[in-house]
Amino acid sequence: QVQLQESGPGLVKPSETLSLTCTVSGGSVSSGNYYWSWIRQPPGKGLEWIGYIYYSGSTNYNPSLKSRVTISVDTSKNQFSLKLSSVTAADTAVYFCARVTRYGSGSSNYYGMDVWGQGTTVTVSS
Amino acid sequence: EIVMTQSPATLSVSPGERATLSCRASQSISSNLAWYQQKPGQAPRLLIYGASTRATGIPARFSGSGSGTEFTLTISSLQSEDFAVYYCQQYNNWLLFTFGPGTKVDIK
Repeated sequence: QVQLQESGPGLVKPSETLSLTCTVSGGSVSSGNYYWSWIRQPPGKGLEWIGYIYYSGSTNYNPSLKSRVTISVDTSKNQFSLKLSSVTAADTAVYFCARVTRYGSGSSNYYGMDVWGQGTTVTVSS
Repeated sequence: EIVMTQSPATLSVSPGERATLSCRASQSISSNLAWYQQKPGQAPRLLIYGASTRATGIPARFSGSGSGTEFTLTISSLQSEDFAVYYCQQYNNWLLFTFGPGTKVDIK
């Protein structure tokens, strides 16, 4: 079955750029029924959606993070990546990658994040 | 921006009892709602999409209902493995996602 695995530095300095990669195994990022998403969870808090990318390269971002976020896809490596610039301590969180599946067809489409990575902890500190 | 609220923040339930969790959207989202379960140290798991359809492999004791602005997740008979935090999530016509703050279901 499809598995996702996050990777990247666990410690990032304030004002620098956080970079993470999600490797997809058992499936393809080029599948048309899926979007590939990033979600984060600060310590002891709830979930925050960051954004997603489609295999074609089209993206959609959380408006509150849009100015600092870039999500890209590398179909040759079956990976997608997150860059978050100008980080502060408030960006300390567990970062998850997830597959967004489109259910249904035509005018009745529903979406759910049905496959998740295990999450990776990123701490912003000098 | 659509704001999601969940109630109660914490629900204390005895094993075998029924649990009813509520989720409310600040404006109508039709049936564009999903529910997730998260246990400590784990990634969330998709339970329900389209407000009422169980995801693959989800036990029948989990059911979702509602449309518009009011939604409910019901766990008919709580098992020990069901004690967790539950999040609702909405998406709008532009496929922007928002999670609710979560409801923690703990043992009474």
